[in-house]
Amino acid sequence: QQQVKQSPQSLIVQKGGISIINCAYENTAFDYFPWYQQFPGKGPALLIAIRPDVSEKKEGRFTISFNKSAKQFSLHIMDSQPGDSATYFCAGNAGGTSYGKLTFGQGTILTVHP
Amino acid sequence: KAGVTQTPRYLIKTRGQQVTLSCSPISGHRSVSWYQQTPGQGLQFLFEYFSETQRNKGNFPGRFSGRQFSNSRSEMNVSTLELGDSALYLCASGTDFNYGYTFGSGTRLTVV
Repeated sequence: QQQVKQSPQSLIVQKGGISIINCAYENTAFDYFPWYQQFPGKGPALLIAIRPDVSEKKEGRFTISFNKSAKQFSLHIMDSQPGDSATYFCAGNAGGTSYGKLTFGQGTILTVHP
Repeated sequence: KAGVTQTPRYLIKTRGQQVTLSCSPISGHRSVSWYQQTPGQGLQFLFEYFSETQRNKGNFPGRFSGRQFSNSRSEMNVSTLELGDSALYLCASGTDFNYGYTFGSGTRLTVV
């Protein structure tokens, strides 16, 4: 099965610090790479996403960096806040008739200490 | 605009029983996907329905099945429940041929 590998499994950051989560994918048919944020008791919520035709996308404190040749992408959270403490999932999607099929990484539990 | 609604939120079933979970997508969304979330396996794709037809299927045994109705509401069924089926079952809905699916809060199934 085509995988998305995510690291680290857990991450502890001080308030105001930078959180970095990395993902690597295998399926070269993927053309959409979203990041989801999940709080306890809730479903994942789309945070930010990127297409492979750009190398970086920024939305507020959240930035995706994308390296197509290395088949890697990462999420950077600048000025991390305690409210950012959640589980983060990267994913890949091949589009076409597979729009509804996301392949997720294993998740990263982020803890931001005040 | 109402989000994706899943019912029930919690379920406790006994091994060998069957269970049906329900998902109401966002109005206008015709695609509904189902995922199983467990601590060990993470988020795994079960299947996707679009316009009442199964469009994609993950690697789960035939005990897991689903269907979609003409109003886009979807149900998934698990027969002959096993302890390992205990999980959070999530559904997500999306529009035609577009990215960015929205998830519901899930149904927590516990098999005892």
